[in-house]
Amino acid sequence: RKEVEQDPGPFNVPEGATVAFNCTYSNSASQSFFWYRQDCRKEPKLLMSVYSSGNEDGRFTAQLNRASQYISLLIRDSKLSDSATYLCVVNIGTGNQFYFGTGTSLTVIP
Amino acid sequence: NAGVTQTPKFQVLKTGQSMTLQCAQDMNHNSMYWYRQDPGMGLRLIYYSASEGTTDKGEVPNGYNVSRLNKREFSLRLESAAPSQTSVYFCASSEVRGSGPEAFFGQGTRLTVV
Repeated sequence: RKEVEQDPGPFNVPEGATVAFNCTYSNSASQSFFWYRQDCRKEPKLLMSVYSSGNEDGRFTAQLNRASQYISLLIRDSKLSDSATYLCVVNIGTGNQFYFGTGTSLTVIP
Repeated sequence: NAGVTQTPKFQVLKTGQSMTLQCAQDMNHNSMYWYRQDPGMGLRLIYYSASEGTTDKGEVPNGYNVSRLNKREFSLRLESAAPSQTSVYFCASSEVRGSGPEAFFGQGTRLTVV
């Protein structure tokens, strides 16, 4: 079983739309949670950390449900520049290992 | 500030050849990682090093060896390359911060084994 499961998409949405990505993780020992963004043929970069209380950064909102082992990312008012692959990531404290989902592809259409 | 630097950026190998991918970070991080990324598979952890002097296997270690040469450098070696090792390889490093660890990635090495 994979440590992290994501819907691969693709999601094609018009500019200004709201889009949500979901992710589940299997290891209850997971300690930290993140969303990374990866542009085509580039390295992944941290978009935001995910906290139990939920957190917001501008148009982006992340939620964590530890009981259901579920993470979400909401993007409001989508921009063309949001087009990328979004990776759900968990960090398992022992050994400080990061496990990645396969990524969800988003294309924002003019 | 260079962050994480990987070399080479591109490489073509023949089946059976060997090569070493180099990685160095200048952020004084304790933890370093090697991932491979394949279409539909996401990033999979090959090996990691939680601190200088230690290395551990990740999800897909077969066919690879690593060396944590010092705190800055973590190399990945393919002893006898196989076409199944055609992939994009990313090195990363991390350190625990107040909000939890963040991983920083190199730009990747695109490896083709023919």
